Amino acid sequence: AQTVTQSQPEMSVQEAETVTLSCTYDTSESDYYLFWYKQPPSRQMILVIRQEAYKQQNATENRFSVNFQKAAKSFSLKISDSQLGDAAMYFCAYTGNQFYFGTGTSLTVIP
Amino acid sequence: EAGVTQSPTHLIKTRGQQATLRCSPISGHTSVYWYQQALGLGLQFLLWYDEGEERNRGNFPPRFSGRQFPNYSSELNVNALELEDSALYLCASSSGTNANQPQHFGDGTRLSIL
Repeated sequence: AQTVTQSQPEMSVQEAETVTLSCTYDTSESDYYLFWYKQPPSRQMILVIRQEAYKQQNATENRFSVNFQKAAKSFSLKISDSQLGDAAMYFCAYTGNQFYFGTGTSLTVIP
Repeated sequence: EAGVTQSPTHLIKTRGQQATLRCSPISGHTSVYWYQQALGLGLQFLLWYDEGEERNRGNFPPRFSGRQFPNYSSELNVNALELEDSALYLCASSSGTNANQPQHFGDGTRLSIL
């Protein structure tokens, strides 16, 4: 069965520094997509970045980038130049025949 | 552009009752997804509707059901409520029938079972 594992329940980073959030997944499917979503406190979940499994090139969106290692089934999120507004719960998600989310990583940004 | 809207914001029920949760997708989106977010468990996929049809469901008992209306809005029904059904229920929508489209989430309905 497919699973998504986020092994870091909590992370913290100094403002302007870089932080990497880890995510691993397990699947036997060959065609799937991976996502990182952000859920700020008391606010809606929003998409941060998306990666197609068939693409070798790592996705980037401004300060957010991923390190996608398909063979290792690893999909980490790097946040550069961290800002106070990046403080949120981050969820890694897998979409294939079904939809799986990790348990989340709570990111604190220290001023 | 209006986002995904869910109602009610909070819902309090007792064991054995039935709950109905509602979701309106973003205009133009045909797919609606339902998730249960229980404390410490992340999001658990419940149901996916597209063009009025149930496309997929997660590993939940049949007392969790729903439907999608011609205007693409959706209802989630939970029958015979149990204490462990207490959770935040999130609805999301996406465009097209491809399950790989990014999902846009609502604020959720907080269901509390007494």
